[in-house]
Amino acid sequence: KQEVTQIPAALSVPEGENLVLNCSFTDSAIYNLQWFRQDPGKGLTSLLLIQSSQREQTSGRLNASLDKSSGRSTLYIAASQPGDSATYLCAVLLNQFYFGTGTSLTVIP
Amino acid sequence: DGGITQSPKYLFRKEGQNVTLSCEQNLNHDAMYWYRQDPGQGLRLIYYSQIVNDFQKGDIAEGYSVSREKKESFPLTVTSAQKNPTAFYLCASSIDSPLWWPEAFFGQGTRLTVV
Repeated sequence: KQEVTQIPAALSVPEGENLVLNCSFTDSAIYNLQWFRQDPGKGLTSLLLIQSSQREQTSGRLNASLDKSSGRSTLYIAASQPGDSATYLCAVLLNQFYFGTGTSLTVIP
Repeated sequence: DGGITQSPKYLFRKEGQNVTLSCEQNLNHDAMYWYRQDPGQGLRLIYYSQIVNDFQKGDIAEGYSVSREKKESFPLTVTSAQKNPTAFYLCASSIDSPLWWPEAFFGQGTRLTVV
């Protein structure tokens, strides 16, 4: 069974810092990987989708990379802002979507 | 606007009651999913459906039931057999195509509390 792990579980940084969130998965035969943002009490908002044939995707201040062979993905957030405070989840697609437990990010003004 | 609508946002259930959570999408997606989210745990798949009138059990289907009579709708019933139903429930949908790998879209969730 696919296991998805996100480290760290929580992260607190001052505003303006660049930061990296990590996602690892055990079965490299994934079809794609998706990063989500979740605000408290809300649903998941899709941030970036990386197909299995791709190495990275960028959207604004966000950049996600994928290394299937090592079972890893990173989400890079540049110049963090207080509005970036949320929980970030990664999910991989095999026969179904498998989710990590998320990284809770706090950006301190 | 296209999207997924879950209702209600908050739901309270008495012991022994069945309750139904609504999920509607206007994205013309074939596949729909129900997940349960508990504090400190990842999302766990309850049921999914890839086509009308067909659905499959996920990892934690016991105590839940679903129907898929219309492409747009995938209601989830939490039965009295579910012993610990208090959780945040999320509905999702995606394209089901052999041509490319789907992206999942989520609703805003329903928080169910047993009182």
